[in-house]
Amino acid sequence: EVQMVESGGGLVQPGGSLRLSCATSGFTFSDHYMDWVRQAPGKGLEWVGRSRSKAISYTTDYAASVKGRFAISRDASQNSLYLQMNSLKIEDTAVYYCVRDLYETSGYPGVWGQGTLVAVSS
Amino acid sequence: DIQMTQSPSSLSASVGDSVTITCRASQNIITYLHWYQQKPGKAPNLLIYAASSLQSGVPSRFSGSGSGTHFSLTISSLQPEDFATYYCLQSYSIPLAFGGGTKVEI
Repeated sequence: EVQMVESGGGLVQPGGSLRLSCATSGFTFSDHYMDWVRQAPGKGLEWVGRSRSKAISYTTDYAASVKGRFAISRDASQNSLYLQMNSLKIEDTAVYYCVRDLYETSGYPGVWGQGTLVAVSS
Repeated sequence: DIQMTQSPSSLSASVGDSVTITCRASQNIITYLHWYQQKPGKAPNLLIYAASSLQSGVPSRFSGSGSGTHFSLTISSLQPEDFATYYCLQSYSIPLAFGGGTKVEI
């Protein structure tokens, strides 16, 4: 069974840092694109960034709103995806979801984790 | 960047009704368009991928159509469990972009 479990969310002050983790199982982690998507309280969904598969050298892309502040990485030995968030702003407050593409390298976000809440507040 | 305009933002319907939600892309995205359902407090769930392909396990009352810049999601014969918020997403180009969502209410 495919599973993604996010962790690492919590309360952080503006300007602070946080690292989210997404532990995966049930599939070949290196063969899939992985995205981070967030949802601010009471708002819609916002794409945050992408890590492509090993075949595409795990290249990354980011939304303009987080570029230069957030970084996506992987640990293939742990089948885990990470989101390093620096210089956090109040508007980064959201539930952050880890999403796997539907099938290998399709790029169609298809399988979602349960999410982890990040609250940025003083 | 591609913008996704979803309409309506909300609608009221009854059990058994047929409803259609539309999404318009600001440029041609071929069929790189996907639909998700989200219930309160839950992660989104993929319903339709590549504009018209039904995700495994999703009831056949859900259907998607369109290509290019105009897309639609139709729910025929609404069931009580279908009352939720629906989002479209384009994956044709980076940055990926969601529509604003459609809340389907009783």
